Amino acid sequence: DAKTTQPTSMDCAEGRAANLPCNHSTISGNEYVYWYRQIHSQGPQYIIHGLKNNETNEMASLIITEDRKSSTLILPHATLRDTAVYYCIVRPYSDDKIIFGKGTRLHILP
Amino acid sequence: SAVISQKPSRDICQRGTSLTIQCQVDSQVTMMFWYRQQPGQSLTLIATANQGSEATYESGFVIDKFPISRPNLTFSTLTVSNLSPEDSSIYLCSVLRGGEAFFGQGTRLTVV
Repeated sequence: DAKTTQPTSMDCAEGRAANLPCNHSTISGNEYVYWYRQIHSQGPQYIIHGLKNNETNEMASLIITEDRKSSTLILPHATLRDTAVYYCIVRPYSDDKIIFGKGTRLHILP
Repeated sequence: SAVISQKPSRDICQRGTSLTIQCQVDSQVTMMFWYRQQPGQSLTLIATANQGSEATYESGFVIDKFPISRPNLTFSTLTVSNLSPEDSSIYLCSVLRGGEAFFGQGTRLTVV
């Protein structure tokens, strides 16, 4: 079973920051937080991952709370192309499989 | 990164027949994963394919219905057998590299 809880759907205006929350209250010390997204009819795409420090790359930022029980993915300037289902996943770095939860369907509004 | 070629990209099959999906990776990987995505749903892991051994199936999936081959470290096939309309889904293969998962573009199966 997935170890994360995410809102079913969210809306965000184009050009604004999209903040996607994820709860993972049972996360273990060796588990990372990963984010993937799936744009319609495509395979999932890796976005970012982190252990306990905040992370940033060219796509997004990941903010992890100090107790690691929740995190937020931030898309700083959302565009229409960011409309997708976003999956938050917790797993050890070297685990041999990924179990997906239901994800958040993000709609970017023009 | 990893480049994954999956084919066919889509197919329409008659009920009672079978479809074999191929997944080719650009370099050797230990494990390959097969997922099913039913319409409007998230991805569900079917099985993990290891080279040289039988695939490991997740709860609810059996080898008779979803036989998997893994003849070498860059290739795997998934067969969906005895098709019924409930098997209409997208099937995806995936590999892990450096802790990151990479996915094929999927095979959209419609059973009529």
